[in-house]
Amino acid sequence: QSALTQPASVSGSPGQSITISCTGTSSDVGGYNYVSWYQQHPGKAPKLMIYEVSNRPSGVSNRFSGSKSGNTASLTISGLQAEDEADYYCSSYTSTSFSVFGTGTKVTVL
Amino acid sequence: EVQLVESGGGLVQPGGSLRLSCAASGFIFSRYSMNWVRQAPGKGPEWVSYISSSSDSIYYADSVKGRFTISRDNAKNSLYLQMNSLRDEDTAVYSCAFRGDIVVVPAATAFDYWGQGTLVTVSS
Repeated sequence: QSALTQPASVSGSPGQSITISCTGTSSDVGGYNYVSWYQQHPGKAPKLMIYEVSNRPSGVSNRFSGSKSGNTASLTISGLQAEDEADYYCSSYTSTSFSVFGTGTKVTVL
Repeated sequence: EVQLVESGGGLVQPGGSLRLSCAASGFIFSRYSMNWVRQAPGKGPEWVSYISSSSDSIYYADSVKGRFTISRDNAKNSLYLQMNSLRDEDTAVYSCAFRGDIVVVPAATAFDYWGQGTLVTVSS
């Protein structure tokens, strides 16, 4: 099972919007609406930000939104803030095993 | 408050074995499926294994299939990972994680609870 493909880095200025892509196959991202997104700060456990493509857990800012088209899912962060600087990972249910994570994207706030 | 506390990590030689434990508290452990996820130094998370609430469904990543065995003891609120034939590339922090809702299996891939992990180092 190959990892889902994400850009290595994305950057933006405070207040701007950025979008992180997550590309898989029809066996994972494209075949099911079970894509999740995680935020991870250094030395911390991943934090669930989005589940089932576009749902936010309680307590997660509405500046975070998710979507999907075909084999590619996306996470958009609007109104970028300094605290959003972190690593972001997508994951998906996969019919070939159970779960697969993405390669990860480092978000830098300029 | 949900708590997941992993233990059992350490330094082991290639080809060796190790058994990890995850002690759960603050929720009804027997109702939820559980997972092991690992993160190698400087790398992203990698899902390792899944076990259903009653242990009747178990899945493994291809990278560990045939070498690792997941199990649980609902009476002890504990999750385990038996790791055999360890390789250098198994070096990572191993964490237990789960979805804190009763959902269909595919939806259980969204982990909203994580432990802090235990470090496994495979080196000669």
